[in-house]
Amino acid sequence: EIVLTQSPDFQSVTPKEKVTITCRASQSIGSSLHWYQQKPDQSPKLLIKYASQSISGVPSRFSGSGSGTDFTLTINSLEAEDAAAYYCHQSSSLPLTFGGGTKVEIK
Amino acid sequence: EVQLVESGGGLVKPGGSLRLSCAASGFTFSSYSMNWVRQAPGKGLEWVSSISSSSSYIYYADSVKGRFTISRDNAKNSLYLQMNSLRAEDTAVYYCARDDGSDWYFDLWGRGTLVTVSS
Repeated sequence: EIVLTQSPDFQSVTPKEKVTITCRASQSIGSSLHWYQQKPDQSPKLLIKYASQSISGVPSRFSGSGSGTDFTLTINSLEAEDAAAYYCHQSSSLPLTFGGGTKVEIK
Repeated sequence: EVQLVESGGGLVKPGGSLRLSCAASGFTFSSYSMNWVRQAPGKGLEWVSSISSSSSYIYYADSVKGRFTISRDNAKNSLYLQMNSLRAEDTAVYYCARDDGSDWYFDLWGRGTLVTVSS
């Protein structure tokens, strides 16, 4: 099973600040890494697919990078509506797995 | 409107059974693979099961293998999860989620249905 380790677990950030969340895979997964945003009491929403590919309708301040074992989700100029939990997810092999999540709080 | 709507959750005793349903609308259901993903209260996401568009391929997480059965009815645009021998650790919100069949990323999620296993 591929284990995804996210860091940090929690981040308190001021609006307009830049946020960086990392996801490390226990073995190489190429670019089969996807990011989701889950706002309180909502279902998850796909933000980024294949490590860096943007999703229609997602604000351009969200971007992803990385390949192999190390991946990054960046939120440029954080807005209040970005308060949420963020999860990485690998589709390289079964069982499909998710990172433990990163909760972003707005100061 | 493109959407997924889960139903069938509730309170069940350990060892009991429950059947979840997911109604799809606004897209060609029969063209997509479908999945169940769960989230225990206050916890992260856990993949449960996947089924291909024609039900040819079915996969389960080890934690539910032998107890849960995924199925679909393309004529009714519906996805199902039959859950037997339920345990306390199965308590979670269960989401159905769509993937495009070429890879297992989930581009559409339902709002979820809560399953509580407790005596």
